[in-house]
Amino acid sequence: EIVLTQSPGTLSLSPGERATLSCRASQSVSNNYLAWYQQKPGQAPRLLIYGASSRATGVPDRFSGSGSGTDFPLTISRLEPEDFAMYYCQQYGSSPLTFGGGTKVEIK
Amino acid sequence: EVQLLESGGGLVQPGGSLRLSCAASGFTFSSYAMSWVRQAPGKGPEWVSVISGSGGSTYYADSVKGRVTIYRDNSKNTLYLQMNSLRAEDTAVYYCAKGGANIVYWYFDLWGRGTLVTVSS
Repeated sequence: EIVLTQSPGTLSLSPGERATLSCRASQSVSNNYLAWYQQKPGQAPRLLIYGASSRATGVPDRFSGSGSGTDFPLTISRLEPEDFAMYYCQQYGSSPLTFGGGTKVEIK
Repeated sequence: EVQLLESGGGLVQPGGSLRLSCAASGFTFSSYAMSWVRQAPGKGPEWVSVISGSGGSTYYADSVKGRVTIYRDNSKNTLYLQMNSLRAEDTAVYYCAKGGANIVYWYFDLWGRGTLVTVSS
C-alpha cells in the first residue's frame, strides 16, 4: 500500500499570499496518477487536480499541481478567501487507492 | 443536474447491518466505475470499495473485506453498499463517488454529500 504524507499539517497564510502544499509517497506513484481535492467544512471533497498537473473542469488557474515519482506539490499562487480549506492528495496508480492525511490552509 | 445523493445512514449497534444507497442523475451511470469512500471525524478520506460500470468487477479495502458488499442497479441509476458485522471503527461519513472513467482505480470527479453511519451501543 502506498502511504501518502502531506505537509505541513496546517498552513497559516494571508489572502493574496502563495501557498505550497506537499504530498510525498512512500513509493513511486505509477504514471503520476496523483489527484488533489479541496474540502470545506460540512462539504464533500472537490476534485482540483488529476494526473499530478491537470486541472479539473472549472478550477481556477491559480491552482497548479506538479511533481513526479514520489514528490507532488500543489501550489496556490494567490490565496483567495474561498481557498481556505482542507486539501487532500490521493494516488490512483495502484491498489488500494489511498489518501493523504491532509493540509489545512487557514487564515493568518 | 449532475449529482449523487446518498441515503441509508444512521445509528446502529455493533454487529448490526446497514444498507447505503446512492442515487445518481445527470450522467450515463453505467459508463462509470463508482466507489464508496468514508471519512471518520477529523480524519482524511478512506477508500472503501469500487464497482465497475457493468457491475462485473468489485474490489474492497482490507478493512472491510468480507463484511461489506458493493453492487449497483444500472436500470435505477443507483449504487448500494451492504454493510454487515459493523464495528465502532466503521463510524464515518460515507460518500458515494464517481470515477472519472470506467476504470476501477481512478480519481473521483463527483462526490455526493455523504451519509453518516454511527456504530455505537
